[in-house]
Amino acid sequence: AQKVTQAQTEISVVEKEDVTLDCVYETRDTTYYLFWYKQPPSGELVFLIRRNSFDEQNEISGRYSWNFQKSTSSFNFTITASQVVDSAVYFCALSVEYGNKLVFGAGTILRVKS
Amino acid sequence: GAGVSQSPRYKVAKRGQDVALRCDPISGHVSLFWYQQALGQGPEFLTYFQNEAQLDKSGLPSDRFFAERPEGSVSTLKIQRTQQEDSAVYLCASSQYTGTSGRTDTQYFGPGTRLTVL
Repeated sequence: AQKVTQAQTEISVVEKEDVTLDCVYETRDTTYYLFWYKQPPSGELVFLIRRNSFDEQNEISGRYSWNFQKSTSSFNFTITASQVVDSAVYFCALSVEYGNKLVFGAGTILRVKS
Repeated sequence: GAGVSQSPRYKVAKRGQDVALRCDPISGHVSLFWYQQALGQGPEFLTYFQNEAQLDKSGLPSDRFFAERPEGSVSTLKIQRTQQEDSAVYLCASSQYTGTSGRTDTQYFGPGTRLTVL
């Protein structure tokens, strides 16, 4: 069975601070996919990134960066110079190759104050 | 192009009523998923279609829940004899392709239907 743990229930930062959202996953499959989604107050889940288990290269997209470490089963998400518009619930999710369905963590509420 | 759309956005039902929730996936997307998101929690998988075939319904919580996708496009999630514990946001997602290798594709989500059972 697969499991995703987001230990941080809620994080509050002041605008322009950097913030890291943690994600730890469990799976016995050797091929799997990791995702981050953002859920703003409007409720729609917005896709941010997808990583394959065989590609541990970290990725940067603007103010967003992701650190994938198979050795610790972690896929952490960092927002640099946070902005008020980053306030949302962020979900980490896992899918295995033949399962297709996403297994989500409980989410981390990020509040960015001006 | 248009994203995933869901209707209605909000639904209030009296306990015992039947409800039907609609999902219009992104045009051309083969795979369609339904998830249930309780307040303050992450979405949980309900069921999955590839075209019109329902390949996985392991997440449906009871036989009161039924989903269909008869023409491989629009899908309907039906809940019979609603109970208060059915109150949640129901999310629909679609993805472009799932090949015979089982390759997982990115799922794109609709805005959800918030169901409140009184």
